[in-house]
Formats: sequence, C-alpha cells, structure tokens
Amino acid sequence: NAGVTQTPKFQVLKTGQSMTLQCAQDMNHEYMSWYRQDPGMGLRLIHYSVGAGITDQGEVPNGYNVSRSTTEDFPLRLLSAAPSQTSVYFCASSWLSRSSAISGYTFGSGTRLTVV
Amino acid sequence: ELKVEQNPLFLSMQEGKNYTIYCNYSTTSDRLYWYRQDPGKSLESLFVLLSNGAVKQEGRLMASLDTKARLSTLHITAAVHDLSATYFCAVDQGDDMRFGAGTRLTVKP
Repeated sequence: NAGVTQTPKFQVLKTGQSMTLQCAQDMNHEYMSWYRQDPGMGLRLIHYSVGAGITDQGEVPNGYNVSRSTTEDFPLRLLSAAPSQTSVYFCASSWLSRSSAISGYTFGSGTRLTVV
Repeated sequence: ELKVEQNPLFLSMQEGKNYTIYCNYSTTSDRLYWYRQDPGKSLESLFVLLSNGAVKQEGRLMASLDTKARLSTLHITAAVHDLSATYFCAVDQGDDMRFGAGTRLTVKP
C-alpha cells in the first residue's frame, strides 16, 4: 500500500547537470502531476498527465521534461540544472474523473533538490 | 488565469482561541480543497468542498465554500498545539489544481 513513491528524497546537482526525479503510484490513478514548492509561493504545477502517452504543460514547465509510458510512472527530467530550479518537488496523483476526484490529490513525500 | 489568495500568510495563535483562514479565488470553480503540511513533510488532504454552501468538519477544523463569493474559509476552534502546520487551499481548474501560498499556523501554549 505504497501510494505515491518519489525518489530520491534529497539531491545536490551542479549547474548544467541533468537528472531524473522518479515518481511511481500503485493506485491505478489516471492523473499524475509534478509541482514545485518554493517559500511563500505555494505549489506551482510543472507538468501533468491524464493517462499513459499523454502529457501537458503546467504553469512553470521551462527546463523540465516529462513522459508517461505507463500508468504507474511519471518521471521528471531536468535537462540542464540551474540554481533557479532549487526547490522541493512533489509528485501527485488522482482519479481523473471529476466525479471520482473527491479525495483530492495523493502526494509523494517530496524531493529536495539543490543546484549549486 | 486563476489566482488563489490566502490570508493571513502567517498566523500565531494562543491555545484555546478561535481563528479563520481565508481563501479567495479569481475565476469560477465549484471544487476546492484544503491541505495540511507539517514541516519537511508532504501534503495531506483535509477537506474537499464540492458545491456552493458545502461545509465539512473534522475535529477542531471546519471548512466552508461560497462559490458565489469565490471564498472558502477554514475555521479553527479552540486551537491546540497539534494544529501547528501550514495550511493550503487549492482550487480545481479542470486538469490541474492551483494552490494558494499557504498559511503558516503556530499555536502557542
């Protein structure tokens, strides 16, 4: 009964390096998304997916790529890390149907990323 | 574009007191969520408000939604230290949820 699993929990990158943040859910949720959390700004949507093979941009997509090859996994790729990408990243999932989305999103435990 | 504003952003309360956190949003939506986040932790869903006039209560917390005024409130009754956390409201916008900046609540003895 894992819910949403994110790895790693902590990561330090050098400017220009690339990496992938992993997100997996075992609830068969159609909808998955990535948010970044910065002090005083709440959570901002980076990318989201409504099903395998379907992704779309959110509010702050620049510098990030996503793919959704399976229902369970939704990795977030940083192409060339910049200090402005220092943040805490959360993955979330939910049922897609509006009538089923009655419990809000299920969030992962977060990845704290520092870019130096 | 949907904007979600919470106030206050910081709230320091004495135990036993009552207070209300406000969440205003800028465009029509009939679905609003409240989440709690403890320091260094993930977000936990508290309430889902699905229609105008909806009211939900859990322990010392009560949330309500007025879709006509585009306003939700989270009322805290007789605060206790365990309620210290950051509280976020979030508004459904179709394929995504827009979050307020959060209210950091500290309950002091």
